[in-house]
Amino acid sequence: DAGVIQSPRHEVTEMGQEVTLRCKPISGHDYLFWYRQTMMRGLELLIYFNNNVPIDDSGMPEDRFSAKMPNASFSTLKIQPSEPRDSAVYFCASSTGSGANVLTFGAGSRLTVL
Amino acid sequence: GENVEQHPSTLSVQEGDSAVIKCTYSDSASNYFPWYKQELGKRPQLIIDIRSNVGEKKDQRIAVTLNKTAKHFSLHITETQPEDSAVYFCAASLGWGSARQLTFGSGTQLTVLP
Repeated sequence: DAGVIQSPRHEVTEMGQEVTLRCKPISGHDYLFWYRQTMMRGLELLIYFNNNVPIDDSGMPEDRFSAKMPNASFSTLKIQPSEPRDSAVYFCASSTGSGANVLTFGAGSRLTVL
Repeated sequence: GENVEQHPSTLSVQEGDSAVIKCTYSDSASNYFPWYKQELGKRPQLIIDIRSNVGEKKDQRIAVTLNKTAKHFSLHITETQPEDSAVYFCAASLGWGSARQLTFGSGTQLTVLP
């Protein structure tokens, strides 16, 4: 398995633009997580899905953020409109949801909003 | 909810010396404590974990200890090498097999000086 695949790896956009980040989890993993990493706030859980269903989105900062998981192999995190304070590295992670439930992270998407 | 505090935020050691990173957690119900290593520009990766029914676990040069009474756990790295330089995150989970409740510490930047 190629692991958790995220795209794009880097995104530079202007304030007000829509940003879409994509994630392909490891096949067979039934949990998918979106994390945001900044120097100030560390690793923050934004939302997670179980079997494609959003379970907890309490970490989503505001209505400008939305996430979907239309099938077991694809998820998106959308920011509309983007703001400079959204600049961060966004990680997608997946896990099997059983036993130790080890998170496997993707390589991350570095977002810069000018 | 769970709160995880991690110290120190930065740590420099001479190659060959030992390094210790400490974390405390707030919820006595937490029962799973993983440690993740994040090299510069890379994704976090699990390096070792411990369950609450175990007091210590070792894997070659790294070990984790857990004190449930005091609600703290520590990462010990012996005979440090330059490749150990990275950011280390501790985490606590309220449920074995429940990554949704995984709360991360703020991270420790470890630098191993040659």
